[in-house]
Amino acid sequence: ELKVEQNPLFLSMQEGKNYTIYCNYSTTSDRLYWYRQDPGKSLESLFVLLSNGAVKQEGRLMASLDTKARLSTLHITAAVHDLSATYFCAVDMDSNYQLIWGAGTKLIIKP
Amino acid sequence: DADVTQTPRNRITKTGKRIMLECSQTKGHDRMYWYRQDPGLGLRLIYYSFDVKDINKGEISDGYSVSRQAQAKFSLSLESAIPNQTALYFCATSDPRTGGYEQYFGPGTRLTVT
Repeated sequence: ELKVEQNPLFLSMQEGKNYTIYCNYSTTSDRLYWYRQDPGKSLESLFVLLSNGAVKQEGRLMASLDTKARLSTLHITAAVHDLSATYFCAVDMDSNYQLIWGAGTKLIIKP
Repeated sequence: DADVTQTPRNRITKTGKRIMLECSQTKGHDRMYWYRQDPGLGLRLIYYSFDVKDINKGEISDGYSVSRQAQAKFSLSLESAIPNQTALYFCATSDPRTGGYEQYFGPGTRLTVT
């Protein structure tokens, strides 16, 4: 059974700090996705990582994928309040075309 | 205009009532999904459909049914609603031609069963 684990599940940090959210998964997959959700809102796609070693950056967020370690990271640089949200990772189960989701990391960035 | 729409956006219903949630998309995607979201549990897949004639159960299909009326429409029904079906429901679509299975989400329906 494929499991996707995120940690931490909750993170409170100050503006200007750096931090990393981790996404571990339990079986082979070459494709991983990061989404953002604001409170009461829908999910917005942030990054699509489609191969080992993939790295994507958008503003203060950078995501990477290590398929050998079955690990993806979402790194936040010099956090700002607007990045406060819940971040989800999801892993592609190629055998049946589904995404398996982590539980989400709730990020609060204090001004 | 939104590519994936859901109606209603909010609904309060009573235990035992039948309710239908509707999803429409203009993205031209063949694949559509229904999820529910509960606090702290992430997203759980209820049903998914790869085309009008291909519908599959997801992780938590008990108590739910679906109908794929057309490529663009995918409805979720609760035959006899119960309070533990109170949740936020999302419809999503995907297109395998992109090479991956990135999903695009509707705005969600907040359902409360009293």
